[in-house]
Amino acid sequence: DAKTTQPTSMDCAEGRAANLPCNHSTISGNEYVYWYRQIHSQGPQYIIHGLKNNETNEMASLIITEDRKSSTLILPHATLRDTAVYYCIVRDVSSGSARQLTFGSGTQLTVLP
Amino acid sequence: DAGITQSPRHKVTETGTPVTLRCHQTENHRYMYWYRQDPGHGLRLIHYSYGVKDTDKGEVSDGYSVSRSKTEDFLLTLESATSSQTSVYFCATSWVSYEQYFGPGTRLTVT
Repeated sequence: DAKTTQPTSMDCAEGRAANLPCNHSTISGNEYVYWYRQIHSQGPQYIIHGLKNNETNEMASLIITEDRKSSTLILPHATLRDTAVYYCIVRDVSSGSARQLTFGSGTQLTVLP
Repeated sequence: DAGITQSPRHKVTETGTPVTLRCHQTENHRYMYWYRQDPGHGLRLIHYSYGVKDTDKGEVSDGYSVSRSKTEDFLLTLESATSSQTSVYFCATSWVSYEQYFGPGTRLTVT
């Protein structure tokens, strides 16, 4: 699976959009981009994933650049409860078998009141 | 979220004793996973299962064994606990979409 690079930490004002970047310059054609987050002392939570088109769900939007070498997770109206470590994971799911998720260091997002 | 429970949620045990952690799911997910999380190492896969009685090793499987006799239950056993196995253990499940859903975690302390 391709390696990802994320900033160590970011701050965001409550009510504003939080834009979390991820660089995955070595991504291959079969690899999806996944985002998870982990709120302190809880298990990781799936947020969203995509291949090459932008995706949106009730939690967030995922913007993937045309060359697929980077992506941005957008939380449109951040709340204090969105304070968490956000993980960007690139994963090849073409094999059809269960494989582990490789969690890097992630980005600590702190939403400020 | 998938209905995933882990038991116990907290456990303190002594070095050399056997310990079994249980993961139970109500979503009929095919795949189940055990991870451990330690400061400075992030989440690391211990073992996973791709069906009843079908399991495989992950990145850090030494000292751990697993069993899955029913779809809904995945057991992690530390045959002889060591202090290096003090950690937070997370169970996860997934279906074919590969979106993993995690349980609340078990905090294990080996003294």
